[in-house]
Amino acid sequence: GESVGLHLPTLSVQEGDNSIINCAYSNSASDYFIWYKQESGKGPQFIIDIRSNMDKRQGQRVTVLLNKTVKHLSLQIAATQPGDSAVYFCAENPFSNSGYALNFGKGTSLLVTP
Amino acid sequence: NAGVTQTPKFRILKIGQSMTLQCTQDMNHNYMYWYRQDPGMGLKLIYYSVGAGITDKGEVPNGYNVSRSTTEDFPLRLELAAPSQTSVYFCASSIARGLNEKLFFGSGTQLSVL
Repeated sequence: GESVGLHLPTLSVQEGDNSIINCAYSNSASDYFIWYKQESGKGPQFIIDIRSNMDKRQGQRVTVLLNKTVKHLSLQIAATQPGDSAVYFCAENPFSNSGYALNFGKGTSLLVTP
Repeated sequence: NAGVTQTPKFRILKIGQSMTLQCTQDMNHNYMYWYRQDPGMGLKLIYYSVGAGITDKGEVPNGYNVSRSTTEDFPLRLELAAPSQTSVYFCASSIARGLNEKLFFGSGTQLSVL
């Protein structure tokens, strides 16, 4: 079946640098994408979402870019802070006949070093 | 405003035992979900509900049951626990325009079946 994948399982960045977390998806019918942040011992926390009719969406210090041509999604975090250390999941809503389940990637662990 | 509350936080079961994972939300959200998260993996949808009295299966419903008698509560029942059900369970809710959008997650229940 089609699934969401992540290019890198771990990412280490220095405090103050910008972070880019990538995600590939393979279902061209997906119409909605979401990024979640999960800190150790906690549930996932919604960061930002984007619909397939958009290429870019900005939030507070975060930007999501969607490239439908190559089926690629990225999360950019500006001026990364120690509190950004967490596992980041992308998820797609494939809107398929298999049911109404978000398709989550395995996650990328972001480590912010001082 | 407590958000999504799950109990218990931790539980150890013996094979064949049963238990109910409790989930309640105070945001008046229509949609509620149960996910499981295995180590190093993304979340998998077990069951979901679009409103009181309505439930439906997700990707991995076998071995579980749910009910939705009120808007606030969405308990998950494990019958005849098996080692394969060792996981972290997350309840979530959303009120967004569409199913699966902007989920708010609880802090999780870590379950071990021995």
